[in-house]
Amino acid sequence: ELKVEQNPLFLSMQEGKNYTIYCNYSTTSDRLYWYRQDPGKSLESLFVLLSNGAVKQEGRLMASLDTKARLSTLHITAAVHDLSATYFCAVLRGAQKLVFGQGTRLTINP
Amino acid sequence: EPEVTQTPSHQVTQMGQEVILRCVPISNHLYFYWYRQILGQKVEFLVSFYNNEISEKSEIFDDQFSVERPDGSNFTLKIRSTKLEDSAMYFCARLTPTGSTEAFFGQGTRLTVV
Repeated sequence: ELKVEQNPLFLSMQEGKNYTIYCNYSTTSDRLYWYRQDPGKSLESLFVLLSNGAVKQEGRLMASLDTKARLSTLHITAAVHDLSATYFCAVLRGAQKLVFGQGTRLTINP
Repeated sequence: EPEVTQTPSHQVTQMGQEVILRCVPISNHLYFYWYRQILGQKVEFLVSFYNNEISEKSEIFDDQFSVERPDGSNFTLKIRSTKLEDSAMYFCARLTPTGSTEAFFGQGTRLTVV
């Protein structure tokens, strides 16, 4: 059974700092997704990573994928308050099932 | 590509009542999914649906749950006899197996069972 684990689950950081969220998964997969969720809202797609070594960047967020290590990272550079949210990684098993990590609740303090 | 639209955005129902959650539009060439998220918790897979059939379902998706395409476009999730623990956000999502790789989620339906 595919398992997806994120860490940390809670992260409180100051504006201007850098940090990384980790996503480990237990079996090989075709695709890995990162989503952002604001309180009471839906899941907003951030990145889709398709192959080993894939790196994508959007603003202060950068995601990477190492399929051999079954590890993806979401790196936050010079954090700003607007990035406060819960971040989920999700791994696609075949085309039938998207399995989510537990989520990382990120709080960025001024 | 069309977004995933869910209705209603919020539903309050009494325990034991049936509810139907809707997801529109739908295409024959996509996988559709239902997920639920109890407040502040993990996003849990319920069921995947492709070509008018269930592809996979989780252990949560027991006999009180069903999915349908009643008119060839809407994609519905029915909960026959709601329980208090069914209170959650329910998300519909779509995925294209080839080509576009995005997996889009609807805005969700907040179900409150009282």
